[in-house]
Amino acid sequence: QQPVQSPQAVILREGEDAVINCSSSKALYSVHWYRQKHGEAPVFLMILLKGGEQKGHDKISASFNEKKQQSSLYLTASQLSYSGTYFCGTEWNTDKLIFGTGTRLQVFP
Amino acid sequence: DSGVTQTPKHLITATGQRVTLRCSPRSGDLSVYWYQQSLDQGLQFLIQYYNGEERAKGNILERFSAQQFPDLHSELNLSSLELGDSALYFCASSVESGTHGETQYFGPGTRLLVL
Repeated sequence: QQPVQSPQAVILREGEDAVINCSSSKALYSVHWYRQKHGEAPVFLMILLKGGEQKGHDKISASFNEKKQQSSLYLTASQLSYSGTYFCGTEWNTDKLIFGTGTRLQVFP
Repeated sequence: DSGVTQTPKHLITATGQRVTLRCSPRSGDLSVYWYQQSLDQGLQFLIQYYNGEERAKGNILERFSAQQFPDLHSELNLSSLELGDSALYFCASSVESGTHGETQYFGPGTRLLVL
């Protein structure tokens, strides 16, 4: 049960904000967010555990609504370095992380 | 640099052949995960090993197999290769068994091209 990410792609100007959503049909224990630049390895951003917490560092934050099995990633005042594909990974069972199809983000000057 | 190493970086081979991909986890990590990423696709979980034992299985084909050795490095063996097996293969590692909210650190990947 692959989580569904939306939108599929986002194009921004530097300084603009974006929200990326991740939805699952299963009750989740945690949601993991990664960013991958073309041809490179995914880089860990943050984990959110069940409990509806919100996390963030710098201008990237995320929330997790356990009841709705949804997570949102918030990118504020986007920078060129934010460009890449964002993946959410959902965990509802032990030892398996299932990734969404990704959201491609492109930030232009 | 995540601390996870993968070799080789690139592999070009022909259909029907067999290849071995190698992964060394971060120092101290006991779990190794293998993922396949085809062109413009997401990350597909293949298999996980924890301290030498198979822990979880995903969409891994029967032509593919993996193992984790006593020194905790892991190898992914791909046999009877087909054109559709061309992809980026990532290895990731985590400290424990990956239960509930553990961070996975990804290696740089091995790019496999089957001609």
